[in-house]
Amino acid sequence: NAGVTQTPKFQVLKTGQSMTLQCAQDMNHNSMYWYRQDPGMGLRLIYYSASEGTTDKGEVPNGYNVSRLNKREFSLRLESAAPSQTSVYFCASSVWGLNTGELFFGEGSRLTVL
Amino acid sequence: AQSVTQLGSHVSVSEGALVLLRCNYSSSVPPYLFWYVQYPNQGLQLLLKYTSAATLVKGINGFEAEFKKSETSFHLTKPSAHMSDAAEYFCAVSDRNFGNEKLTFGTGTRLTIIP
Repeated sequence: NAGVTQTPKFQVLKTGQSMTLQCAQDMNHNSMYWYRQDPGMGLRLIYYSASEGTTDKGEVPNGYNVSRLNKREFSLRLESAAPSQTSVYFCASSVWGLNTGELFFGEGSRLTVL
Repeated sequence: AQSVTQLGSHVSVSEGALVLLRCNYSSSVPPYLFWYVQYPNQGLQLLLKYTSAATLVKGINGFEAEFKKSETSFHLTKPSAHMSDAAEYFCAVSDRNFGNEKLTFGTGTRLTIIP
């Protein structure tokens, strides 16, 4: 079972460039999330999608856009990358109810903006 | 809004000693609380969760946590540390917005095990 798959795993960008982080899950989960992880700050929610066709802003949405392409896929786009967006990005998915709170994470995408 | 505070960004314990990682929460509703673990270069995985059933919750790898409402705490413990426990640990709280839930994470505690 693949679980949550993120691509790319590593990326270096120049300031002002754009890129899209891809995420796909094969667990038939309804909810998907994008977090960023920075030293000393834990994980902060960028955007989430409670179900196919819906997206909502999290704690730190500025500079990002998302697309919930279908139930499996949730992409994160940086339109004009800035050095402050250097971070490790995690995609996660979950199904609420009996399994409430159990997020399944991808392995992360390490982004450096020069 | 819900939040969690993890006391101590770094904790070191000797192999075989007690592990205690501290987490305090703030929540406007009865909280759902979680502990996640992150091994190097990996994503997070769930250790245990409290969802208003038993206040003492047992998780994987011998970890447990106790929900104490009077102290607004959800500290993580393990009686005897193993080298394999070296990782970063995150406490998290759910906003319990059923059908549209999301987790808020603490800043993490890096656990080092001394041989």
